[in-house]
Amino acid sequence: QSALTQPASVSGSPGQSITISCTGTSNDVGIYNSVSWYQQHPGKAPKLIIYDVSHRPSGISNRFSGSKSGNTASLTLSGLQAEDEADYYCSSKTTSSTLLFGGGTSLTVL
Amino acid sequence: ELQLVESGGGLVQPGGSLRLSCSASGFTFSYYWMTWVRQAPGKGLEWVANIKQEGIDKYYVDSVRGRFTISRDNGKNSLFLQMNNLRVEDTAVYYCVREGGGWYFDLWGRGTLVTVSS
Repeated sequence: QSALTQPASVSGSPGQSITISCTGTSNDVGIYNSVSWYQQHPGKAPKLIIYDVSHRPSGISNRFSGSKSGNTASLTLSGLQAEDEADYYCSSKTTSSTLLFGGGTSLTVL
Repeated sequence: ELQLVESGGGLVQPGGSLRLSCSASGFTFSYYWMTWVRQAPGKGLEWVANIKQEGIDKYYVDSVRGRFTISRDNGKNSLFLQMNNLRVEDTAVYYCVREGGGWYFDLWGRGTLVTVSS
């Protein structure tokens, strides 16, 4: 199975909003509300920021939000801050009872 | 404190074997599905395998099925990954991860590096 499709990179200025897309198929993103998003800073373990498409874990800023339409999920980050510069990964359950990650998106805060 | 600590990584030759361990603390280990996720140097995340609470139901990514075995010891709050017939492409940081109640990972270890090279 191929990885979910994410843009390799996105960028934005402080205070702006950005959106990262995550495109799968009808065998994963399109059929399950099990899309999650992770933030990973260099040299660190990933951190859960969104689960079940749009839910934020305790302690995660409400500047992060998630949504899904058809086979594509999206992560929106509003009010960009320098500390948001990191890699972001989406994931989804599949019909094979496995999990796929996206290829990752590098966010640059200009 | 909630914590997952991996161990057992290292350098191994192609075709060799390695056993990774993960020690859990700060939560009731037996309540959760557990997973191994890996990340090759400079690459993205890859789900490797997961195991249900009782240790019977297990699932694997195609590339490791038949070579890797995930297991757990709930009495010792430990997760394992037995890796046989290792390939160069298995080189990665391996993370021990807790599934938070669905197909998402709410607690990660710091990872252990496995290098497969001659």
